[in-house]
Amino acid sequence: DVKVTQSSRYLVKRTGEKVFLECVQDMDHENMFWYRQDPGLGLRLIYFSYDVKMKEKGDIPEGYSVSREKKERFSLILESASTNQTSMYLCASSFFTGGTGELFFGEGSRLTVL
Amino acid sequence: KQEVTQIPAALSVPEGENLVLNCSFTDSAIYNLQWFRQDPGKGLTSLLLIQSSQREQTSGRLNASLDKSSGRSTLYIAASQPGDSATYLCANYNFNKFYFGSGTKLNVKP
Repeated sequence: DVKVTQSSRYLVKRTGEKVFLECVQDMDHENMFWYRQDPGLGLRLIYFSYDVKMKEKGDIPEGYSVSREKKERFSLILESASTNQTSMYLCASSFFTGGTGELFFGEGSRLTVL
Repeated sequence: KQEVTQIPAALSVPEGENLVLNCSFTDSAIYNLQWFRQDPGKGLTSLLLIQSSQREQTSGRLNASLDKSSGRSTLYIAASQPGDSATYLCANYNFNKFYFGSGTKLNVKP
């Protein structure tokens, strides 16, 4: 069974803290994605990666960075958390070449910044 | 830029009814189209994937169709149940990007 695992389901952080959101997939997918989801705004792409150590900015990269040191792991970093980063964060993965292009999501990480 | 629209935004039906959810997109050059289900506070669960060369896919009470030329996909749910209550999103994949609709929130009343 395919699996995308996000390390934390719920986090509460204070303004200015550094926050790490971890995502691991066990499907040997090349592509990995970080989205945030807010009511009325839908899913917005923050960053994606199509290979180890490769990253591309999505639609809303400001205030975020990412790290992909291993193929199975993609981390989202909030260098200095702010209240407007309170959101649901969703990690996803898919094959880059070949296959069906099916996208798989993790369970989500609900971040609250106080 | 690809635009994906889902109408209606919300739908409430009595249990047992057959229903259709709609998804339209502006650029027909897609690699695939995928339907997801999202329960409150959870991630997205893949329901059905239709490759660009296919016309439809079926899984149990769900049937998804794709008409690339008209830029439309539909998700048909037969004999709806209260457990089908969720938000349903469609997305298509093109040039290494996924484009999502904003979803249809379905409520199936017992």
